[in-house]
Amino acid sequence: GAVVSQHPSRVICKSGTSVKIECRSLDFQATTMFWYRQFPKQSLMLMATSNEGSKATYEQGVEKDKFLINHASLTLSTLTVTSAHPEDSSFYICSATQQPGRGYTFGSGTRLTVV
Amino acid sequence: SQQGEEDPQALSIQEGENATMNCSYKTSINNLQWYRQNSGRGLVHLILIRSNEREKHSGRLRVTLDTSKKSSSLLITASRAADTASYFCATADNQAGTALIFGKGTTLSVSS
Repeated sequence: GAVVSQHPSRVICKSGTSVKIECRSLDFQATTMFWYRQFPKQSLMLMATSNEGSKATYEQGVEKDKFLINHASLTLSTLTVTSAHPEDSSFYICSATQQPGRGYTFGSGTRLTVV
Repeated sequence: SQQGEEDPQALSIQEGENATMNCSYKTSINNLQWYRQNSGRGLVHLILIRSNEREKHSGRLRVTLDTSKKSSSLLITASRAADTASYFCATADNQAGTALIFGKGTTLSVSS
């Protein structure tokens, strides 16, 4: 079955630094990848949609200059949290699909803690 | 953005009892999916029901879909302590055909 690998699973960083999270589709080509954020005891909120080779589409309220998304290949999308602050501490999950509207495969998530 | 509401927000039951969770959504959909999430972990896909289906079974899970009411229900029969988790419905928008949009979730606690 389709597998999405997300790294790192946990990261602690200092306030003001940047953190990169990788999302890889291991056995399929992902034309579209999605990034979600989940705060404690809340649901997953879509942050952005990235299509290979084009700029990401960000949801309302998500700062594109703060959350940089790169989808340079059909198997890799990265999310960089720039100048991280404690309020960015959250669980970030990526999802990949070969065909939007059909099968979605989720990464195992990244727990980001900004101190 | 979030698609809709799930109810109840929290549900506590005893082992062996059935658990029913409901989900409502707002837009036209291609399909509706249910996911499970253990505390602080990733998502586990449970079941997908297409917009032209009304009911689907998978093991102890039963999902119904009523597109006229824009609602779905997830029934877990003969619950176990290991079923303790958060459950989310998610829909794929018919028109946009893009991201899954998640409901707010139901936190299920099954005590032995």
